[in-house]
Amino acid sequence: DQQVKQNSPSLSVQEGRISILNCDYTNSMFDYFLWYKKYPAEGPTFLISISSIKDKNEDGRFTVFLNKSAKHLSLHIVPSQPGDSAVYFCALTDSWGKLQFGAGTQVVVTP
Amino acid sequence: DAGVIQSPRHEVTEMGQEVTLRCKPISGHNSLFWYRQTMMRGLELLIYFNNNVPIDDSGMPEDRFSAKMPNASFSTLKIQPSEPRDSAVYFCASSLNGGANEQFFGPGTRLTVL
Repeated sequence: DQQVKQNSPSLSVQEGRISILNCDYTNSMFDYFLWYKKYPAEGPTFLISISSIKDKNEDGRFTVFLNKSAKHLSLHIVPSQPGDSAVYFCALTDSWGKLQFGAGTQVVVTP
Repeated sequence: DAGVIQSPRHEVTEMGQEVTLRCKPISGHNSLFWYRQTMMRGLELLIYFNNNVPIDDSGMPEDRFSAKMPNASFSTLKIQPSEPRDSAVYFCASSLNGGANEQFFGPGTRLTVL
C-alpha cells in the first residue's frame, strides 16, 4: 500500500520559471517531511525538510509547504536553473525515523 | 569527508550465486540504512541499524536477504541465493541519530542477476 504518492512522474519547466512538485500522503502519523534530489548514477541527496508543526520552510530558491489537513506537501523551486534537472523524491518519516519515499518526479529545466 | 562508500559499484552474477554488498558509513554517524530501488517499487527501506543494532528489518523481502553491522564503520547486505528479481540498485545511507535527520546516501550498487 503506497502511503506516499507523487502523481506527476515528470515535469518540464523553462529556466527562470517556478517548478512546483507535489506529494500526497495517507498516514497522519508522519511527523517529518523531507525532499531529496537525485542525479543519474548517484545516491539521493538531501534538499530541504519541514516538521509537522510548521507549514512552510524556505532555503534559498527552495521552499517546502505543508498542508496537514489536506495531507499534501509541495516543493517550490524559483527560479529554476538547468542544474535543477534531476529526480525529486518526497520522503516522510514517523517518530521511529523510518523513511518512506514517493516514486519521484523527473524535472527537466529547459533553456 | 569521503561520504558513504559502497562496493562494488556494479555486480553481475548468475542466479543462485551469493552476493555481498558492502557499505562504509560516514565516520561518527550511528544510524545506517539499506535501501533498494526498482522501477516497480521505487526506493524502499530494507533494514535500519542504530548503534550497530538492527532496529527494523521489516523491509527485508525474504530469508534470502541478510544484513550485518559488525562495527560502526562497516555493514554488509547479503543475498543468498540470488534471483533475477533481486536485480536493482542498492543504496546504503547513514545519519546521525535516526532517519528523521538528514540521511547521506552512497552512490549505490547496481546488481544484475542473470
